[in-house]
Amino acid sequence: NAGVTQTPKFRILKIGQSMTLQCTQDMNHNYMYWYRQDPGMGLKLIYYSVGAGITDKGEVPNGYNVSRSTTEDFPLRLELAAPSQTSVYFCASSSPRVGRGSTDTQYFGPGTRLTVL
Amino acid sequence: AQSVAQPEDQVNVAEGNPLTVKCTYSVSGNPYLFWYVQYPNRGLQFLLKYITGDNLVKGSYGFEAEFNKSQTSFHLKKPSALVSDSALYFCAVSFIGSYIPTFGRGTSLIVHP
Repeated sequence: NAGVTQTPKFRILKIGQSMTLQCTQDMNHNYMYWYRQDPGMGLKLIYYSVGAGITDKGEVPNGYNVSRSTTEDFPLRLELAAPSQTSVYFCASSSPRVGRGSTDTQYFGPGTRLTVL
Repeated sequence: AQSVAQPEDQVNVAEGNPLTVKCTYSVSGNPYLFWYVQYPNRGLQFLLKYITGDNLVKGSYGFEAEFNKSQTSFHLKKPSALVSDSALYFCAVSFIGSYIPTFGRGTSLIVHP
């Protein structure tokens, strides 16, 4: 299994440009997440999905959009890039199971480093 | 609501000495607690977790953590630090029925030779 893969690894955008950060997992996980990581601020949840066709906002959703048409893919869209969106973006997945043996360990991708100038 | 605090931005320890990285939490109900490690320019990797059962949890690379309900803490420990343990460590909390964890701000562990 490749686990969680993200593309691109690095990207520089100009203010106002748009882009899509790709995320794919091959573990058949139902939960997927997008986080941003800023120095000294830990991880902030942008959006998450509990299954194909279902998405919800996290702590910092403004300026971003997501879709989940398949179990495997969870792309993150930036429509009008702003300098405040300069960050490292991580995608993660998990497969919590209710009841005995329930677990929600997250598996993270390698990240996308985005700079908006 | 749930929250987690990592009170130290940085922990310095000499190689061979024991290390502790602190974490306290606040959650409604029984917590799920996690530790993750992040090496430079990499994603987070799972170290260990507490769901239920024994308060002392053993994880990867010789790390362990002790769940203390009365002090609402889940400190990460290792008896003998290695230089290769130098990394950023994150504590996270969720609770039964919620699979959206909240992460702490991270603690940078620096192990000196």
